[in-house]
Amino acid sequence: GAVVSQHPSWVICKSGTSVKIECRSLDFQATTMFWYRQFPKQSLMLMATSNEGSKATYEQGVEKDKFLINHASLTLSTLTVTSAHPEDSSFYICSASRSRGGTDTQYFGPGTRLTVL
Amino acid sequence: GESVGLHLPTLSVQEGDNSIINCAYSNSASDYFIWYKQESGKGPQFIIDIRSNMDKRQGQRVTVLLNKTVKHLSLQIAATQPGDSAVYFCAENLSSTLTFGKGTMLLVSP
Repeated sequence: GAVVSQHPSWVICKSGTSVKIECRSLDFQATTMFWYRQFPKQSLMLMATSNEGSKATYEQGVEKDKFLINHASLTLSTLTVTSAHPEDSSFYICSASRSRGGTDTQYFGPGTRLTVL
Repeated sequence: GESVGLHLPTLSVQEGDNSIINCAYSNSASDYFIWYKQESGKGPQFIIDIRSNMDKRQGQRVTVLLNKTVKHLSLQIAATQPGDSAVYFCAENLSSTLTFGKGTMLLVSP
């Protein structure tokens, strides 16, 4: 149990376009979902936390108008990278927790590789 | 401290050896710690966790040690196998937010 999926697993887009990444909890209800970004050979950096039905809370330095997060149901959160640029190329990973605020264990998705040309 | 840079600390071991991966965490108020394994191109995989009221926890082939005095966490892997080759991250939990360490690459030679 506690499986989290992401779609797509990789995406290549042109600079200036928007890309949507989906994160789904397949066998549990995820009250809280987290989005992380990881650059090559670096650690995961938390971008934002979203509770179902609420606006996401963004970490310092993360532009909320550029990285739009929607958590409309207990099994789905989406991250939209708007007007993507090459510097947005990264590995985006979501995680999901059963509890509000994420006090329960976080279960991670497989990640989405975004390449912006 | 370590620079983030493009070079992960690397631990190279022979198959069958015991491996010890270390991590220094930053916040003395953190109450929960987790070790994750990340293979190339994949998301982190939970290995073992420990709460701050414990100093040792054992799993199958893995042991986590917590030293709160010096804010140090270690992961011990017994009888390391080639399939253990990956990057290992520690993470500390504070107020429901996970902060990941810089990671250590474990390379296991047959």
